[in-house]
Amino acid sequence: AQSVSQHNHHVILSEAASLELGCNYSYGGTVNLFWYVQYPGQHLQLLLKYFSGDPLVKGIKGFEAEFIKSKFSFNLRKPSVQWSDTAEYFCAVFWNAGNMLTFGGGTRLMVKP
Amino acid sequence: DAGVIQSPRHEVTEMGQEVTLRCKPISGHNSLFWYRQTMMRGLELLIYFNNNVPIDDSGMPEDRFSAKMPNASFSTLKIQPSEPRDSAVYFCASSLSRTGSAQYFGPGTRLTVL
Repeated sequence: AQSVSQHNHHVILSEAASLELGCNYSYGGTVNLFWYVQYPGQHLQLLLKYFSGDPLVKGIKGFEAEFIKSKFSFNLRKPSVQWSDTAEYFCAVFWNAGNMLTFGGGTRLMVKP
Repeated sequence: DAGVIQSPRHEVTEMGQEVTLRCKPISGHNSLFWYRQTMMRGLELLIYFNNNVPIDDSGMPEDRFSAKMPNASFSTLKIQPSEPRDSAVYFCASSLSRTGSAQYFGPGTRLTVL
């Protein structure tokens, strides 16, 4: 079965630290890739998406993600986090051979001021 | 632009009561998704519609759950009878198509069943 793995369930960083959240997915083939953010008490919001082209994708709020097809990965990065980045981050993958968007289990990020 | 609209935002009910959650997708979107989020199980897809037709309801936990989409601008998720284990946040999301477009989420309905 197709699956999405976010190996880091909880991450704690200090402000200004660099962030990298891992996302790996099973199977190959053509995929569409997404990162969503969920701030405390709020709904999921789209951070960035990759469909094709440049594998380095820029999103909102200074986030970026890199698609590495050979590693089935789509890691999320931010060079310098802020306290306001405290949230849960979800990676999601859509396999074009399938018909469903599959979410990872989420990573809770806490940024200490 | 109005995003996905859900109502109510909060619902507190007693076990055995019927609960109806409502969703208005983004205008022009033709796919609609219902999710449930809990601490224990994370985000679960319950059902999704394409062009008002239910495509996959394999995530619906039991026959107590039902969903309808009578037209392109409205969907309901009904739980009858409700149970305490149904307590969760229920999100509705919509997208332009089911072929991998980004999904846009509503604010959610926080359901508490006592």
